[in-house]
Amino acid sequence: EPEVTQTPSHQVTQMGQEVILRCVPISNHLYFYWYRQILGQKVEFLVSFYNNEISEKSEIFDDQFSVERPDGSNFTLKIRSTKLEDSAMYFCASMYSGGTDTQYFGPGTRLTVL
Amino acid sequence: QKEVEQDPGPLSVPEGAIVSLNCTYSNSAFQYFMWYRQYSRKGPELLMYTYSSGNKEDGRFTAQVDKSSKYISLFIRDSQPSDSATYLCAIDQGAQKLVFGQGTRLTINP
Repeated sequence: EPEVTQTPSHQVTQMGQEVILRCVPISNHLYFYWYRQILGQKVEFLVSFYNNEISEKSEIFDDQFSVERPDGSNFTLKIRSTKLEDSAMYFCASMYSGGTDTQYFGPGTRLTVL
Repeated sequence: QKEVEQDPGPLSVPEGAIVSLNCTYSNSAFQYFMWYRQYSRKGPELLMYTYSSGNKEDGRFTAQVDKSSKYISLFIRDSQPSDSATYLCAIDQGAQKLVFGQGTRLTINP
């Protein structure tokens, strides 16, 4: 069964450094998402992406964050200058179509900012 | 008022018991409701998806939506130790933006 994959599974970085989290969505899916989950808290929406542009973003997704689909298979989340509070699990999700379709999540990347 | 509220538990039941998991939500305009299962340090896995009110059954799992009371439920029959996980309710807020509940940690004891 096709699945969303994410790399790396765990990323440790120093505060102020840039990180790029990578996702390979399910191959025929058209809609892509990033969510995060701080330890012990809810899964929170960050951003949605369709047709090579951001469709929706949350208040969390400030200028330090950016997303890109650099080729036909990858979807990336970049955090330009990491802060301690960026430490969380970051989940990528993809969906085939809009409307009544559902999102399928990857296993997540655990980001630890020291 | 929080958009989606869910009792975080933990909830511990014996194997074979019927489990009832619940969420409430605030906005009556919400139409799409989901239940995800999340094992420790893994991504959420879609279990059930319901549109509007009513029941939906899939094997041992039943999802129920009561729009009049803004209440969604997941029932697990004949619970198994492998059902031990955190169960997340989620609502599509529009533009495919999912809003999740806190998650209920469930343990099924053999």
